Amino acid sequence: DAGITQSPRHKVTETGTPVTLRCHQTENHRYMYWYRQDPGHGLRLIHYSYGVKDTDKGEVSDGYSVSRSKTEDFLLTLESATSSQTSVYFCASGQGGDEQFFGPGTRLTVL
Amino acid sequence: AQRVTQPEKLLSVFKGAPVELKCNYSYSGSPELFWYVQYSRQRLQLLLRHISRESIKGFTADLNKGETSFHLKKPFAQEEDSAMYYCALRETSGSRLTFGEGTQLTVNP
Repeated sequence: DAGITQSPRHKVTETGTPVTLRCHQTENHRYMYWYRQDPGHGLRLIHYSYGVKDTDKGEVSDGYSVSRSKTEDFLLTLESATSSQTSVYFCASGQGGDEQFFGPGTRLTVL
Repeated sequence: AQRVTQPEKLLSVFKGAPVELKCNYSYSGSPELFWYVQYSRQRLQLLLRHISRESIKGFTADLNKGETSFHLKKPFAQEEDSAMYYCALRETSGSRLTFGEGTQLTVNP
C-alpha cells in the first residue's frame, strides 16, 4: 500500500478557487491515472499519463488539467473548482498492460 | 466506444448463500476483463482477471463472449465479502480501464 500515495487526503475549498491534487508512486510505473468516483457512475477516467510529459484525456477531462514532470509524480489541477467537481479522486499506476494499483483517495468538497 | 454495465447497484445476501454479481460489456474487439474490489476503509484492489482463470477468495468469473458477460460468482458468501465490487474492461493492447458503476455487496449474518 505504501507504493502509491495521494495528498491531500481531504480538502474543502470554495467555488472558483484552483486546486491541485498530488499523486506519488515509488514503483517506477510508466503509466499513471486519475479517476473520480461518484455514486451511480463508478470510476471514471479523467486523465492519464504514459510517460514523463506524456498525457492524454479520459472520458471526463473537462475542467481538469494534469502534469507529469517526473516518473513518480502526477498532478491533477482544477483550474477553477465547481460544485460538480465535489468527488472522491483516485490515482492509480501500472505498467499499462497489467494490473493498476490504486492510491487511498482524496475526498474533495467544493462549496 | 466500450461500455461496462453492472445492473445491480446494491446486492444483499445471507452468509452461506450463493452470490452472483453481474457484469455486461460492449466492445467490438477482444477485451480483457477484471474485477476490482474496495473493502471498507481500504483502497481499490484487483480481485481477479479473466485471463488468469483463477479463483481468488472463493470467487470465480468466466468470460462469456457470446453473451458479452463476466459475472462474478461465489458459492458460499462470507461476511468479509461485503464490499464494493467494480467490473472493468481493457481494450486490446490498451492501457486504460473502463469501469462499471459498481455493485455494493452486503453479506448479512
